[in-house]
Amino acid sequence: AQSVTQPDIHITVSEGASLELRCNYSYGATPYLFWYVQSPGQGLQLLLKYFSGDTLVQGIKGFEAEFKRSQSSFNLRKPSVHWSDAAEYFCAVGGYSTLTFGKGTMLLVSP
Amino acid sequence: DAGVIQSPRHEVTEMGQEVTLRCKPISGHNSLFWYRQTMMRGLELLIYFNNNVPIDDSGMPEDRFSAKMPNASFSTLKIQPSEPRDSAVYFCASSFSSGTDNEQFFGPGTRLTVL
Repeated sequence: AQSVTQPDIHITVSEGASLELRCNYSYGATPYLFWYVQSPGQGLQLLLKYFSGDTLVQGIKGFEAEFKRSQSSFNLRKPSVHWSDAAEYFCAVGGYSTLTFGKGTMLLVSP
Repeated sequence: DAGVIQSPRHEVTEMGQEVTLRCKPISGHNSLFWYRQTMMRGLELLIYFNNNVPIDDSGMPEDRFSAKMPNASFSTLKIQPSEPRDSAVYFCASSFSSGTDNEQFFGPGTRLTVL
């Protein structure tokens, strides 16, 4: 069965500092991998996705993620965090149809 | 495109009442998903449809929950009778599952409170 682990429930980062959110997955084949962001009271918005090819994926809002098959990881990074990045971030893994989501990591940005 | 549309955005009802949540997927998408989000359990897939046919409803909690998709542009999730533990945010998402891209687009959600 497929699963996603986001080991950090909350992370606090100072504005302007770099960010890395961790995601580990379990999947029986080559996975499709996603990062979504959810602002309070909103639905989920796609940040980036990996299907194949280059393992470093660029997304919206200056985010990137790197697929590491040997570590079953798909960590999300941003070099400089802005206060508007405060939100909950979800990693997801799937195949042709359904996705399995992690429990999410809440990002807090301090001044 | 207006994106995935859900109604109502908020619903407050009393235990035992019937609740119907509605979803209009993005035009041209062939898959539709219903999710439930709670603090305790996170984001759970309840059911998904492909070409208006229910493919996997293993996530539906119990018989009180039912979902329909009478056509490609409309789906409902019904809870009858509702219970306080059904209080959650319910999301609808749609995608065009092509085998190479199954990105899901989410609606804004319906926040359900059962008193």
